[in-house]
Amino acid sequence: DGGITQSPKYLFRKEGQNVTLSCEQNLNHDAMYWYRQDPGQGLRLIYYSQIVNDFQKGDIAEGYSVSREKKESFPLTVTSAQKNPTAFYLCASSAGQGAGRPLHFGNGTRLTVT
Amino acid sequence: SQQGEEDPQALSIQEGENATMNCSYKTSINNLQWYRQNSGRGLVHLILIRSNEREKHSGRLRVTLDTSKKSSSLLITASRAADTASYFCATAVNQAGTALIFGKGTTLSVSS
Repeated sequence: DGGITQSPKYLFRKEGQNVTLSCEQNLNHDAMYWYRQDPGQGLRLIYYSQIVNDFQKGDIAEGYSVSREKKESFPLTVTSAQKNPTAFYLCASSAGQGAGRPLHFGNGTRLTVT
Repeated sequence: SQQGEEDPQALSIQEGENATMNCSYKTSINNLQWYRQNSGRGLVHLILIRSNEREKHSGRLRVTLDTSKKSSSLLITASRAADTASYFCATAVNQAGTALIFGKGTTLSVSS
């Protein structure tokens, strides 16, 4: 079955540590996205990539970094510079590079930083 | 930048009733999409309506779009307990190289 796999489902880290969230897709989609969701809030865009080796900052990129070395993988690193990293992180992908295509989502990683 | 705003924030109904959720947005769009999210899970795409369309149906879902009022509504007919979830609208603005912008969502609770 094609889809997006995010791992791990739950992640716990101490403040000051960097942490990398995994996102892999086997849908052969060109574009991939990272969103952050806080309780009772909508999704806020962190980074997105429309082709391999290229990515753009979203609305809340500060304290995060990404790489897109392979079409199927788009890992997100939450750095110690992120002031409030505890959140639910969602990875998504879409076919083609144009804006407005439907997104396919993974089931998220819940990160808790203490 | 929050583009879409859903209304109401929360909605509680009985099984068999219809549920209507509204979404307002601020800027010109290419299309508007609705997504569903079950608790603790990722979002699932429900339906897409283009800016030149006024109404679209998919099973028990009916979506309308009024570009003059910059608003959309999602109607779920004959609701079931399994429809309990959060529903989000997302807009694609008329600008190349941009991503979808999501609203804060409506939480729907359907009791049996």
